[in-house]
Amino acid sequence: SQQGEEDPQALSIQEGENATMNCSYKTSINNLQWYRQNSGRGLVHLILIRSNEREKHSGRLRVTLDTSKKSSSLLITASRAADTASYFCATDLDSSYKLIFGSGTRLLVRP
Amino acid sequence: DGGITQSPKYLFRKEGQNVTLSCEQNLNHDAMYWYRQDPGQGLRLIYYSQIVNDFQKGDIAEGYSVSREKKESFPLTVTSAQKNPTAFYLCASSIAPGTGGYEQYFGPGTRLTVT
Repeated sequence: SQQGEEDPQALSIQEGENATMNCSYKTSINNLQWYRQNSGRGLVHLILIRSNEREKHSGRLRVTLDTSKKSSSLLITASRAADTASYFCATDLDSSYKLIFGSGTRLLVRP
Repeated sequence: DGGITQSPKYLFRKEGQNVTLSCEQNLNHDAMYWYRQDPGQGLRLIYYSQIVNDFQKGDIAEGYSVSREKKESFPLTVTSAQKNPTAFYLCASSIAPGTGGYEQYFGPGTRLTVT
């Protein structure tokens, strides 16, 4: 069963706008990670947020984590056409070797 | 140039044949992983290895086999027992997970088509 579910499944925005995607999960986590995947390529790690953190920033990325609601959001500000990709959340339940990936949000940024 | 390499990028096989996908890393990572990705889906864990000469089944190990004879290499064999082998296969590596969490580094993937 899927631990993480992203919402929306697909998102289309104009260049310069902000993009927000959400991830909900079912059980307690140790940390939550966001990855990006360009079409037909491998995944690239974007950001990791630990269960005792509420917000984290990296460049134009802002990630929030609400453990009471079992949800996380990824905000990309001032989007660019090059941000077009699929974005996945992955949950680490207990610092084991197993990350559980959601099904992803496909983001299209129109020039 | 550090990273993970997977070869080949595209692989075509006839049904009933075993096929081995290559994964090599020069990041000095102890842990390595194999994932399967189907169109429009997330990643599902096939096998993972914490250390040389040791590996564990993931969520969908049936029809697959692996070996970890060297730290740098973690080949995946898709056997004829795998009912739906056509998919995109991703290899990853990481440091050993600790209390602080860890990130996984991914290769470029191998797209396997079995007809």
